[in-house]
Amino acid sequence: AQRVTQPEKLLSVFKGAPVELKCNYSYSGSPELFWYVQYSRQRLQLLLRHISRESIKGFTADLNKGETSFHLKKPFAQEEDSAMYYCALSNTGGFKTIFGAGTRLFVKA
Amino acid sequence: SQTIHQWPATLVQPVGSPLSLECTVEGTSNPNLYWYRQAAGRGLQLLFYSVGIGQISSEVPQNLSASRPQDRQFILSSKKLLLSDSGFYLCAWSRTGVDSPLHFGNGTRLTVT
Repeated sequence: AQRVTQPEKLLSVFKGAPVELKCNYSYSGSPELFWYVQYSRQRLQLLLRHISRESIKGFTADLNKGETSFHLKKPFAQEEDSAMYYCALSNTGGFKTIFGAGTRLFVKA
Repeated sequence: SQTIHQWPATLVQPVGSPLSLECTVEGTSNPNLYWYRQAAGRGLQLLFYSVGIGQISSEVPQNLSASRPQDRQFILSSKKLLLSDSGFYLCAWSRTGVDSPLHFGNGTRLTVT
């Protein structure tokens, strides 16, 4: 069965500090992993996907199949990064996506 | 470009009344379509997904149903609402195939009184 776990409901860091939002998954097949973000008063949107190995707004995420993790990292947090972050996993073929419970990131000035 | 429309934005309905939430997608064909419910502290719960007209997969037993009468139209319904149906409902679409992220609508806030 597919499962996504985000152990932290709330993460609070100071501006300029490194940030890591944890995500662990359970899936027997080859997973497709994503991070989505929801800023205040905006719709939920894609932040990045593991297959692209991209850096978006300074965020990166590396898929670690041994640890079944897909943690989201940024070396220097900015106030505008404050938002709700969801880790998501799609099954092979991409027609079913499940989400973790989400982590609210609060970046303090 | 592709757009997704979801309405209404807010809805207050009495217990026992019917429900119909509609979602349409423009600018793409044969999308995968989804209904999620977003609850504080519980993330997004997948309710239904559809890979084609008339093809609906239900993820959780509940008081709701979904239909896809046209390629780019997805409807969430209930014959008789329960208090527990209150929540924030999100429609989303994705392309078929690998590495296909979801694109979400603005959501509907449903309050059952």
